[in-house]
Amino acid sequence: SQQGEEDPQALSIQEGENATMNCSYKTSINNLQWYRQNSGRGLVNLILIRSNEREKHSGRLRVTLDTSKKSSSLLITASRAADTASYFCATDLGTSYGKLTFGQGTILTVHP
Amino acid sequence: GAGVSQSPSNKVTEKGKDVELRCDPISGHTALYWYRQRLGQGLEFLIYFQGNSAPDKSGLPSDRFSAERTGESVSTLTIQRTQQEDSAVYLCASSRLYGGYNEQFFGPGTRLTVL
Repeated sequence: SQQGEEDPQALSIQEGENATMNCSYKTSINNLQWYRQNSGRGLVNLILIRSNEREKHSGRLRVTLDTSKKSSSLLITASRAADTASYFCATDLGTSYGKLTFGQGTILTVHP
Repeated sequence: GAGVSQSPSNKVTEKGKDVELRCDPISGHTALYWYRQRLGQGLEFLIYFQGNSAPDKSGLPSDRFSAERTGESVSTLTIQRTQQEDSAVYLCASSRLYGGYNEQFFGPGTRLTVL
């Protein structure tokens, strides 16, 4: 199975609500990155969190990392219709060149 | 500055034909990666370049797939004798890769459809 697995697979909410997506992984990581993908094309970097960090913020985004549970979460607060996209976590297993392993993603739909 | 660019954005080809996909990384990024994304799936790693050498090509699915890179610049991914299962979005990423810190920046991808 995938190194990174997102949960839930799909999430549907109303504008203004918060959205939480989770990512679990199996082996030790160097860092973990969250990406957004619109319309199945290029990925947009959201937040990179290193293995020695526990929480990072960027605007309405908050990422947490619990290395003891091998899990991470992405929280989007006060969601907007424009947040509708697929969200992926990618783990860097610590190769010298940062090879990433991706989960299957969470499809987020925010209804206006 | 300019991000990662890829061309073409879409490619439709007939089964059995060869295709070439191009990636222009961010200037100064020594590391370059190719990934494949099938419909509704996550990204699968294909190959990694450091400069113009490819220390990890473990993700290439068959010998029909090959890639090369010119110095620390353009890379091309070639698929020979395309099959329908090759239909996917092919994404390229680049990274500065310094001090063990690696943040990869992705291009918009090439959507390949094999008829």
